[in-house]
Amino acid sequence: GNSVTQMEGPVTLSEEAFLTINCTYTATGYPSLFWYVQYPGEGLQLLLKATKADDKGSNKGFEATYRKETTSFHLEKGSVQVSDSAVYFCALSDSGGGSEKLVFGKGTKLTVNP
Amino acid sequence: EAQVTQNPRYLITVTGKKLTVTCSQNMNHEYMSWYRQDPGLGLRQIYYSMNVEVTDKGDVPEGYKVSRKEKRNFPLILESPSPNQTSLYFCASSLKSRGIYEQYFGPGTRLTVT
Repeated sequence: GNSVTQMEGPVTLSEEAFLTINCTYTATGYPSLFWYVQYPGEGLQLLLKATKADDKGSNKGFEATYRKETTSFHLEKGSVQVSDSAVYFCALSDSGGGSEKLVFGKGTKLTVNP
Repeated sequence: EAQVTQNPRYLITVTGKKLTVTCSQNMNHEYMSWYRQDPGLGLRQIYYSMNVEVTDKGDVPEGYKVSRKEKRNFPLILESPSPNQTSLYFCASSLKSRGIYEQYFGPGTRLTVT
């Protein structure tokens, strides 16, 4: 079945450092890809998405490009802030059999220190 | 304000005592879903509903029931909770936007079964 693999955490960075969180996927067909963020004590929020190959999703300084040739959707940010500390989930949409669900990676916890 | 609400937010109960976690959305979404989040496993889908009176199993449905009598509500029922159902539960609803299901999550319900 479809699956998502993202880099194990936790990741600890200093403020203004460059962030990359790797995400690769296995899927039949052409899924849509998402990054969700979960701040402490809160539910998941959609951070960005991409719907087809070579699409770039972006939001709040974060970017990710849908790479079909490498089946990847890595999350990047050029300069992280303390407020970016959260758990980040990569996910793909699975529309098999007429249903619709998200298949999530296990999450990567990011801590940004001042 | 557009939102998904869950109640209760925290619940401690004993093995075998039936409980219901409520979920409600005010966005007129057709699709709703329940996930559980466990350390090291990410989020896994329990049940989903494509519309009123239409529900189906997700990846980990054992020990759970759902109902969808109204569009806005999608309660999760544990008829006889067991300790392995101790988890963080999220309800989500979906707007299909340009062919993509963007899921909106509730704040979560932390359940402990002793």
